[in-house]
Amino acid sequence: GENVEQHPSTLSVQEGDSAVIKCTYSDSASNYFPWYKQELGKGPQLIIDIRSNVGEKKDQRIAVTLNKTAKHFSLHITETQPEDSAVYFCAPSGGSYIPTFGRGTSLIVHP
Amino acid sequence: DAGVIQSPRHEVTEMGQEVTLRCKPISGHDYLFWYRQTMMRGLELLIYFNNNVPIDDSGMPEDRFSAKMPNASFSTLKIQPSEPRDSAVYFCASSLSRGSVGELFFGEGSRLTVL
Repeated sequence: GENVEQHPSTLSVQEGDSAVIKCTYSDSASNYFPWYKQELGKGPQLIIDIRSNVGEKKDQRIAVTLNKTAKHFSLHITETQPEDSAVYFCAPSGGSYIPTFGRGTSLIVHP
Repeated sequence: DAGVIQSPRHEVTEMGQEVTLRCKPISGHDYLFWYRQTMMRGLELLIYFNNNVPIDDSGMPEDRFSAKMPNASFSTLKIQPSEPRDSAVYFCASSLSRGSVGELFFGEGSRLTVL
């Protein structure tokens, strides 16, 4: 099965700073690379995704970059705000078509 | 659409009791997943269905756990008998495949506490 690792497990930044979370995966057949955000007391929600034929995708303050050769993709959040504080999960899928979730990164944005 | 609906949101029960968690997926979605979330183990996939058929239940921890999907709009996860180590948040998610599974839509979860 797919081995997925996320780093860091906890990230603390000041409001306005940038945050980067990295996800490495093992299945070279993976072709779909989403990031989910989980707020306290809620289920994870997709915030951005990318498919393997694209290297980068941006949506306002968030972006995802993909390096298929190295088998990793990253979430970038610029101009962080307190409401960005949450747990973020990567969940690559492809070969088995079923996503494998990373252990999550707890992002804390200090006002 | 109202999204994925789970019930109950919170359940407190005593060891040995039967627990039934319920899920209504988004209409038209063909995949349904049950996950368990704990601090120690993160998000674990328990079982998933495609077109109401269980495809992979290798994540179900023990025979005490069972899941059914009698129709496209309803699924249950049952624990009998429940144990304190089953305490966790259980999430249901659904997805519409277009050749492969894409975005998962999660419910708000059922928080289970077994005393």
